[in-house]
Amino acid sequence: QVQLQQWGAGLLKPSETLSLNCAVYGGSFSGHYWSWIRQPPGKGLEWIGEINHSGSTTYNPSLKSRVTISVDTSKNQYSLRLSSVTAADTAVYYCARGYCSGGSCHNWFDPWGQGTLVTVSS
Amino acid sequence: DIVMTQSPDSLAVSLGERATINCKSRQSVLYSSNNKNYLAWYQQKPGQPPKLLIYWASTRESGVPDRFSGSGSGTDFTLTISSLQAEDVAVYYCQQYYSTPPTFGQGTRLETK
Repeated sequence: QVQLQQWGAGLLKPSETLSLNCAVYGGSFSGHYWSWIRQPPGKGLEWIGEINHSGSTTYNPSLKSRVTISVDTSKNQYSLRLSSVTAADTAVYYCARGYCSGGSCHNWFDPWGQGTLVTVSS
Repeated sequence: DIVMTQSPDSLAVSLGERATINCKSRQSVLYSSNNKNYLAWYQQKPGQPPKLLIYWASTRESGVPDRFSGSGSGTDFTLTISSLQAEDVAVYYCQQYYSTPPTFGQGTRLETK
């Protein structure tokens, strides 16, 4: 049973950098893509980007200039950094696993981390 | 980006009755080479992350009750709950994974009448 446990700072000031981490327990870390997804309060879901164990990344073009996703395979962890945050970045941030089987990967997401509320306020 | 639009935004259904949620994509998510629709459905309860219900538009995830079913092809999809239970009260999202970035519908809030 794969479980994702995430943590990071929950309160930021405008212009600061958001930093979150996600640890993966159980299952294979190397055989999947690992995503970050966010959800503003009371709103829908936005995919931020993904990484695999080799460090290959894909970002949402809407956030690409401010996003960095990195991986630490020795710890089965991956991280999100989002620079120059504003109030519009206030959201619950989730880590989640994309589906891969037999070398074929598709971006439906299961399981998810518990979520981290990040609030940007001066 | 592929825009996903759900209808209705909210829905109230009596316990034991059928609930139907619609999802429309601005372009087809049917991949012709394998004849599969790249469409998933999720359930989200308050304070919880989304839970995967269905992928490939109609394949139920392991452990999901069989009262949940997905249908549709191309640009028009439906999530049906055949007999609403109290624990099904939640927000439901569709999501396409045909192209990057994957995108979600705005959500449909399902309540009991």
